[in-house]
Amino acid sequence: AQSVAQPEDQVNVAEGNPLTVKCTYSVSGNPYLFWYVQYPNRGLQFLLKYITGDNLVKGSYGFEAEFNKSQTSFHLKKPSALVSDSALYFCAVRAPTGGSNYQLIWGAGTKLIIKP
Amino acid sequence: NAGVMQNPRHLVRRRGQEARLRCSPMKGHSHVYWYRQLPEEGLKFMVYLQKENIIDESGMPKERFSAEFPKEGPSILRIQQVVRGDSAAYFCASSPLAPESTDTQYFGPGTRLTVL
Repeated sequence: AQSVAQPEDQVNVAEGNPLTVKCTYSVSGNPYLFWYVQYPNRGLQFLLKYITGDNLVKGSYGFEAEFNKSQTSFHLKKPSALVSDSALYFCAVRAPTGGSNYQLIWGAGTKLIIKP
Repeated sequence: NAGVMQNPRHLVRRRGQEARLRCSPMKGHSHVYWYRQLPEEGLKFMVYLQKENIIDESGMPKERFSAEFPKEGPSILRIQQVVRGDSAAYFCASSPLAPESTDTQYFGPGTRLTVL
């Protein structure tokens, strides 16, 4: 079965420090991988996606993510965290083939708290 | 450029009543997806629609739930005879191209349904 795991419910980082939010997946074939951010009482905003090509993907607000096929991971990173980055982050995956390839399969989310 | 719009943002219903959730996709988008987010959980796919067609409703409960996307007007997710377990945030997403592509799904702000 296809699945996405975000092993950390919460990540705490001091402002200015680098941050990493982890994501691993289990999907057959070569997946499409996405990161979304959700601010309180708001919808999800697209951050970045990996389809093919360079394993390091750059996205909005200074975020980037690295696709690692051997470790089936797609960790989200930022070199220097801002307090305004505090939010709920979701990793999602979509299988590129198959009858339900348009369905996004979601991780449970990781709450990121950036302390001043 | 208006994004995906959903209304109402908050909806309170008593057990046994009907809930109607509306979604207007981004301009130029003809593919709509509905997801449900239960507290402390990630999103779960419910249904995928194109104009006047339900393409995949495999994630939607067989009873009480229905969805439509008419030729004119917004997509509607309808829940009849609501129960407390229906309390959740319901998100709509849209995309412009066929889902077999790599296109990103863009999300609305969600409707938070509370069943008393």
